[in-house]
Amino acid sequence: DTGVSQNPRHKITKRGQNVTFRCDPISEHNRLYWYRQTLGQGPEFLTYFQNEAQLEKSRLLSDRFSAERPKGSFSTLEIQRTEQGDSAMYLCASARGETQYFGPGTRLLVL
Amino acid sequence: KNEVEQSPQNLTAQEGEFITINCSYSVGISALHWLQQHPGGGIVSLFMLSSGKKKHGRLIATINIQEKHSSLHITASHPRDSAVYICAVDGGGADGLTFGKGTHLIIQP
Repeated sequence: DTGVSQNPRHKITKRGQNVTFRCDPISEHNRLYWYRQTLGQGPEFLTYFQNEAQLEKSRLLSDRFSAERPKGSFSTLEIQRTEQGDSAMYLCASARGETQYFGPGTRLLVL
Repeated sequence: KNEVEQSPQNLTAQEGEFITINCSYSVGISALHWLQQHPGGGIVSLFMLSSGKKKHGRLIATINIQEKHSSLHITASHPRDSAVYICAVDGGGADGLTFGKGTHLIIQP
């Protein structure tokens, strides 16, 4: 257990539905990252927060994706109108220094 | 964009063997991470390197900044070392880590 938690751990949804994932980072960590990992691949960067400010977004993050970190603590990642291609593991990591601490991930399956 | 290549992609070895996993990258970095991912998705950070060599127990990681290459070694391998080992590089900017595809290691008793 790294101290980073994610909920839910698993989500199955029908295509077209909206889903929201939550990440609770280690409390003193000001940096928070979201990554997506598809089967057999390494994770890919999605977005980055420093405190409550979203400083970087990957071009992988289409308009259907939105992330927030309203008080600089927990973060949410919402996917609207899910597509089958969104099926993946969504990983959150937090950091204060150079080491990122990863949560267990939320595995999304879109049917 | 940094290209991170790992080799081998898959490795099966017998318990006790010395294991080497390689990682190369294309653009200069501020740090390189070796991560371990077990079935079910949990990722654990093993090492962060910016130069030289680090050792934790049976694990050794080295990096050659000039060659843009790093290796992860496991001595006296054990079945519990079976996992996916991922190399990730930090370019020093705000765009997070760039990951290799991972090396799937199986240690047979």
